[in-house]
Amino acid sequence: AQSVTQPDIHITVSEGASLELRCNYSYGATPYLFWYVQSPGQGLQLLLKYFSGDTLVQGIKGFEAEFKRSQSSFNLRKPSVHWSDAAEYFCAVGVRGAQKLVFGQGTRLTINP
Amino acid sequence: DADVTQTPRNRITKTGKRIMLECSQTKGHDRMYWYRQDPGLGLRLIYYSFDVKDINKGEISDGYSVSRQAQAKFSLSLESAIPNQTALYFCATSDTYGTGQGYTFGSGTRLTVV
Repeated sequence: AQSVTQPDIHITVSEGASLELRCNYSYGATPYLFWYVQSPGQGLQLLLKYFSGDTLVQGIKGFEAEFKRSQSSFNLRKPSVHWSDAAEYFCAVGVRGAQKLVFGQGTRLTINP
Repeated sequence: DADVTQTPRNRITKTGKRIMLECSQTKGHDRMYWYRQDPGLGLRLIYYSFDVKDINKGEISDGYSVSRQAQAKFSLSLESAIPNQTALYFCATSDTYGTGQGYTFGSGTRLTVV
């Protein structure tokens, strides 16, 4: 069965600094990969997704993610974070023919002023 | 109006009480899901449904039941609530292509069982 690991439970960065959130998955075939963001008191919003093709995908709010097959990773990046980026971020994986997405444990992002 | 609406947004209930969480959607999606979120555990699937006559258990279905009243409505019930069911519950939908397009989530229901 596929699994998703987000190694960092909590990350703190300063406003204006760069950000990288890690996501590793376990599955033999190329999966569909997603990053969601959950702002406080809100549901989950899709940031970006990867199906195939270009391994660097652009999302909303200035985020991007890179699929690295050799490392089974799909890390989320942002060059310069804003205070409004403080939220919880979830990586998720799906596969062709599967019935549901599998989510990582989440990474909580705190922004220092 | 939101594409996926969950009611109530917050609920406090007593141990042993029956409670129903409701979800409705205007996306026209066939597939609906119920997840619970606990700190450090991410989202775990409780039940999912691919149409009105198709209901499936997820990884943590014990203590829960569901009803798919219509394509647009999917309710989650706790027959006899217990404190460790205190969590944030999310309803989600997806189209027929399932995992390829990701999910649309509701805003969640925060349930506290005392």
